[in-house]
Amino acid sequence: AQTVTQSQPEMSVQEAETVTLSCTYDTSESDYYLFWYKQPPSRQMILVIRQEAYKQQNATENRFSVNFQKAAKSFSLKISDSQLGDAAMYFCAYRRETSGSRLTFGEGTQLTVNP
Amino acid sequence: DTEVTQTPKHLVMGMTNKKSLKCEQHMGHRAMYWYKQKAKKPPELMFVYSYEKLSINESVPSRFSPECPNSSLLNLHLHALQPEDSALYLCASSQLQESWETQYFGPGTRLLVL
Repeated sequence: AQTVTQSQPEMSVQEAETVTLSCTYDTSESDYYLFWYKQPPSRQMILVIRQEAYKQQNATENRFSVNFQKAAKSFSLKISDSQLGDAAMYFCAYRRETSGSRLTFGEGTQLTVNP
Repeated sequence: DTEVTQTPKHLVMGMTNKKSLKCEQHMGHRAMYWYKQKAKKPPELMFVYSYEKLSINESVPSRFSPECPNSSLLNLHLHALQPEDSALYLCASSQLQESWETQYFGPGTRLLVL
């Protein structure tokens, strides 16, 4: 079974600074998808960024980028120029390549942004 | 448009009540999901419907009964719930046979069982 580990239950960052959230996963499969979701206090789960395992190039979405290390099974999220609105719980998630399969989530990292 | 809607936003029910949660999407997605989320924990998968057929049931107690009347609508019927069933119930949808099959989530229903 696949597992996803987020080793940082809480992180904090100063506004305008950069922060990196860690995620590691365990799988025996070669093709899969990885996601970062954020969940602000409203509790709506919002997709932040996604990565296909067969792509070497790291995904980027505006101020959000990932460092995907397939051999190390690591998928960290970097948030640049942090804003107050980035404060949220961040979940790393894994999905097998098989159509209709589940998301396996990590335990989450609570990010605080200090003004 | 990546909107998934859920009603009601909040629900309080007694242990003998029968209620239903509703989820709707108009993105043409053919997979729909129910998750349960306790405070400060990740979502836990309950059910998956693919092409309106139940494809995954994560050994959920029978007091939770899912229904997918059509490709846009997903219901969760609740009966004889326990206080420990109080949680945020999230619905999600995704497009099958698409490379990402990214799951898009609704805002959730906060359920309190008294």
